[in-house]
Amino acid sequence: DVKVTQSSRYLVKRTGEKVFLECVQDMDHENMFWYRQDPGLGLRLIYFSYDVKMKEKGDIPEGYSVSREKKERFSLILESASTNQTSMYLCASSYQTLRVDTEAFFGQGTRLTVV
Amino acid sequence: DQQVKQNSPSLSVQEGRISILNCDYTNSMFDYFLWYKKYPAEGPTFLISISSIKDKNEDGRFTVFLNKSAKHLSLHIVPSQPGDSAVYFCAASARRIQGAQKLVFGQGTRLTINP
Repeated sequence: DVKVTQSSRYLVKRTGEKVFLECVQDMDHENMFWYRQDPGLGLRLIYFSYDVKMKEKGDIPEGYSVSREKKERFSLILESASTNQTSMYLCASSYQTLRVDTEAFFGQGTRLTVV
Repeated sequence: DQQVKQNSPSLSVQEGRISILNCDYTNSMFDYFLWYKKYPAEGPTFLISISSIKDKNEDGRFTVFLNKSAKHLSLHIVPSQPGDSAVYFCAASARRIQGAQKLVFGQGTRLTINP
């Protein structure tokens, strides 16, 4: 059974803290993605990666960084958390080429609240 | 710049009737489209996809239609069931020569099936 696992379901952090969100997949997928979901804005892509140590900026990378030291693990880092980063964070993984009968698999999400 | 748009934030349908969810895109390089379903506090789950070489794909109660000239796709659910009540996201991807295929999502449509 396919699995993308995010380390926490719920997190509460203080403004200015450095925050790490971890994601692990067991499908040997090349691609991994971080999104955030906000009401009315849908899923917005923060960063993505197609290989170890490779990363690309998504549509809203400001205030975030990522790390991919191993193929199965993709970490999202909030360098200095701010209240406007309160959101649902979703990790996904896929094969490098999305084609017929393939899709991206999502983790269960991390609800982050910054106070 | 929203490349994938779902202009209806919500839709209410009676049980047993047809639900039609719409999605428009602006990037003519998109060649693969997916629909995801999301329940609260869970990650999105894949429903159905379509390649740009087709104009229709069917899987049980779910059918996706693609109109490339209009840059429009739609998801039909028939008959609609109470368990279909969820937020539905449209997503699109473009093949790249190098690197990860970016997966871009719309804002989502909240579907409510009424008994």
